[in-house]
Amino acid sequence: EAQVTQNPRYLITVTGKKLTVTCSQNMNHEYMSWYRQDPGLGLRQIYYSMNVEVTDKGDVPEGYKVSRKEKRNFPLILESPSPNQTSLYFCASSLRGGQDKTHTDTQYFGPGTRLTVL
Amino acid sequence: GENVEQHPSTLSVQEGDSAVIKCTYSDSASNYFPWYKQELGKRPQLIIDIRSNVGEKKDQRIAVTLNKTAKHFSLHITETQPEDSAVYFCAAGAGGTSYGKLTFGQGTILTVHP
Repeated sequence: EAQVTQNPRYLITVTGKKLTVTCSQNMNHEYMSWYRQDPGLGLRQIYYSMNVEVTDKGDVPEGYKVSRKEKRNFPLILESPSPNQTSLYFCASSLRGGQDKTHTDTQYFGPGTRLTVL
Repeated sequence: GENVEQHPSTLSVQEGDSAVIKCTYSDSASNYFPWYKQELGKRPQLIIDIRSNVGEKKDQRIAVTLNKTAKHFSLHITETQPEDSAVYFCAAGAGGTSYGKLTFGQGTILTVHP
């Protein structure tokens, strides 16, 4: 089954304790992205990756790191989490990031990770 | 950077009526405009998208229009049904050959009353 998976789905942690949220897709997609969702603010892009070893900042990258060493995985790292990073996080992927202008390049979202930083 | 404003924040309609959600964007280089639907407790799902070389796109009861000059685009849902009730997000993709960087609107809560 084609899917995007995230782990963990729920996490409660304390300020300053490093954590990693994993994201994996089995569709051989080139493009992957991380978003956070907060009430009243919609979805905000944290980082995205157009391919292996190619990453770039979204609108809210501060306090986050990512890596893309393999095509299928795109982990989100919080080196020193703070309470303002409490949020619902979504990973997403698409085949080629919309580079084929003649076809819709659907972005598929993972189930989400609800993070609470105390 | 890009800024996307979405209106209204809430929209209530009767079943069978039409619903229109509007978004404006600031970066004239943006060339990709998707719309996502998010049901309560679920993940966002793409429902329709449009590129800047097209003025309108339709898929059954859903259509999107784009006015590049005015920098706004709209989602139109006709013959609404209760299952259309959800949060809808618009987004604008940064210019270039792909949509790598996507900026989303704040969302519209659509409620369709039977």
